[in-house]
Amino acid sequence: DAGITQSPRHKVTETGTPVTLRCHQTENHRYMYWYRQDPGHGLRLIHYSYGVKDTDKGEVSDGYSVSRSKTEDFLLTLESATSSQTSVYFCAISESTRLAGGETQYFGPGTRLLVL
Amino acid sequence: GDSVTQMEGPVTLSEEAFLTINCTYTATGYPSLFWYVQYPGEGLQLLLKATKADDKGSNKGFEATYRKETTSFHLEKGSVQVSDSAVYFCALKGSSNTGKLIFGQGTTLQVKP
Repeated sequence: DAGITQSPRHKVTETGTPVTLRCHQTENHRYMYWYRQDPGHGLRLIHYSYGVKDTDKGEVSDGYSVSRSKTEDFLLTLESATSSQTSVYFCAISESTRLAGGETQYFGPGTRLLVL
Repeated sequence: GDSVTQMEGPVTLSEEAFLTINCTYTATGYPSLFWYVQYPGEGLQLLLKATKADDKGSNKGFEATYRKETTSFHLEKGSVQVSDSAVYFCALKGSSNTGKLIFGQGTTLQVKP
């Protein structure tokens, strides 16, 4: 199994509070991703990173920010949580984005977030 | 833009039955195609993949063939087990440099003894 951990695994928070989720990898992979999983939508990309301090938006980035100060850590921040951000959040990593095997993404165990 | 469509679930089968979960896609260029599986309470695990037309991915008795002419990547297994009960996601990686995956909505499989 790829060495990916997420913390916390579960969190309950109130509307309007900031929340930070952490993804930590031990694989030294260049690419890291944050997805959210919602019923009927599969997984949707929030933000991704292609190196230290290099990040970009995904398809559902509104209300989220990210930071990557070290190769192994990718943080997702909800600046002011809303009930619509109640979801399960998954981090993923990949060695590259090219073919020949390196593009496979490996997923962490997920963080279940409830915003009341 | 790129998209993936999976058959609606849940799919309920008896043990040893034949499984097909349909997946079709829309994409420009030559995407890579994946099937991921999510067991209850866990993250997604790669089940199999195919990176070019006519490739067949296989793992743990599951198979899927990349059909460019029908833009499909249907998942099949000849004899399912109770332990195969999970949510299955079809996904594609397009030709962009981001590497991001586009997922279908997932299909829940329930296998009864």
